[in-house]
Amino acid sequence: GENVEQHPSTLSVQEGDSAVIKCTYSDSASNYFPWYKQELGKRPQLIIDIRSNVGEKKDQRIAVTLNKTAKHFSLHITETQPEDSAVYFCAALPYNQGGKLIFGQGTELSVKP
Amino acid sequence: DGGITQSPKYLFRKEGQNVTLSCEQNLNHDAMYWYRQDPGQGLRLIYYSQIVNDFQKGDIAEGYSVSREKKESFPLTVTSAQKNPTAFYLCASSIGSLSNQPQHFGDGTRLSIL
Repeated sequence: GENVEQHPSTLSVQEGDSAVIKCTYSDSASNYFPWYKQELGKRPQLIIDIRSNVGEKKDQRIAVTLNKTAKHFSLHITETQPEDSAVYFCAALPYNQGGKLIFGQGTELSVKP
Repeated sequence: DGGITQSPKYLFRKEGQNVTLSCEQNLNHDAMYWYRQDPGQGLRLIYYSQIVNDFQKGDIAEGYSVSREKKESFPLTVTSAQKNPTAFYLCASSIGSLSNQPQHFGDGTRLSIL
């Protein structure tokens, strides 16, 4: 079955710097890759997603890139702000698996002012 | 994601007791999911339902049960067989299991043992 590995597990950056979180997946049939942000004690919130027919997607300071050949995708946050501090989860949706998202282990991002 | 309501927000369970966590959605979504999240950990799938009157086990179904009698409701029962139930429980829904659409989460229920 699908397996998603996420790195790093913790990331600390200075305000204004960029942050990059990487995920790899094992099932080449996976076709949808969302990213969630979870603040302490709250629900995961979808921040950006990408489908397998697209290589890159951007939304203001957030971008996601997908390399299907290498089976990895990355989240890029530019001009980080303290409010970006949270745990970020990547996920992959295997094809024809009942909509089951396979989540990475999470990255705790800390943005220092 | 105001369309997914979980209740209660906090729940305490005594030894040997079954407790039921509520999840209701008004998004007209076909698919619903239950996840467990332990402190500092990721999300693990307990059960999921692609359509009314149908559900499947996830990765950690032992000690849990669900029902899907109505499209908008997917309650989770934590039975006494679940020996370590303390966790944050998240319900999610999506338009349909066959489409590559995102899952949206409720606010969660935090379950503890008395």
